Amino acid sequence: TQLLEQSPQFLSIQEGENLTVYCNSSSVFSSLQWYRQEPGEGPVLLVTVVTGGEVKKLKRLTFQFGDARKDSSLHITAAQPGDTGLYLCAGLYSGGGADGLTFGKGTHLIIQP
Amino acid sequence: NAGVTQTPKFRILKIGQSMTLQCTQDMNHNYMYWYRQDPGMGLKLIYYSVGAGITDKGEVPNGYNVSRSTTEDFPLRLELAAPSQTSVYFCASSYSQVQETQYFGPGTRLLVL
Repeated sequence: TQLLEQSPQFLSIQEGENLTVYCNSSSVFSSLQWYRQEPGEGPVLLVTVVTGGEVKKLKRLTFQFGDARKDSSLHITAAQPGDTGLYLCAGLYSGGGADGLTFGKGTHLIIQP
Repeated sequence: NAGVTQTPKFRILKIGQSMTLQCTQDMNHNYMYWYRQDPGMGLKLIYYSVGAGITDKGEVPNGYNVSRSTTEDFPLRLELAAPSQTSVYFCASSYSQVQETQYFGPGTRLLVL
């Protein structure tokens, strides 16, 4: 079973601060996705990264894919209360296997006003 | 488009009872998935389907069955409910391959007592 480790599991910060969430594995991904999930709802895709070293920006969110395609990070600048939620990374591993994504356990993020 | 819809939203079952979780998508997606999400454990793939008439096991298929008679519907069947199946169940769909955007339904919360 492939493992995706996310850290930290929980993070509570003040509005306006910056933060970084990490997603790591010992295996190589062919692609990696970041989702955001709010209470009582399903996950919603934020971004997909495919190329090693790739950086994608979504307003105040910056996503980076490691050069070796084994890790990824999500950086939020000037966090807002609306950023509160569960952030999940999900990877598709190189080499096949079941035709589904492997999800990390998620990072619970709380932005306090 | 309604996207991915799931019914019921919440259900309480007694041990040994059976039920079917319904999932419908109106996006003409070929791929459909069932995940379960346990507290602090992330999402785990139960079953998936790459098209009508084709289904395959995911990471945690024991205790569940699926069918895919149409492109739109992908019901999940629990035959003999057990407390270990208490979870939140999410159905998702994507147009083609798994690395495409997966659209999730709002989830079904199941409690087995």
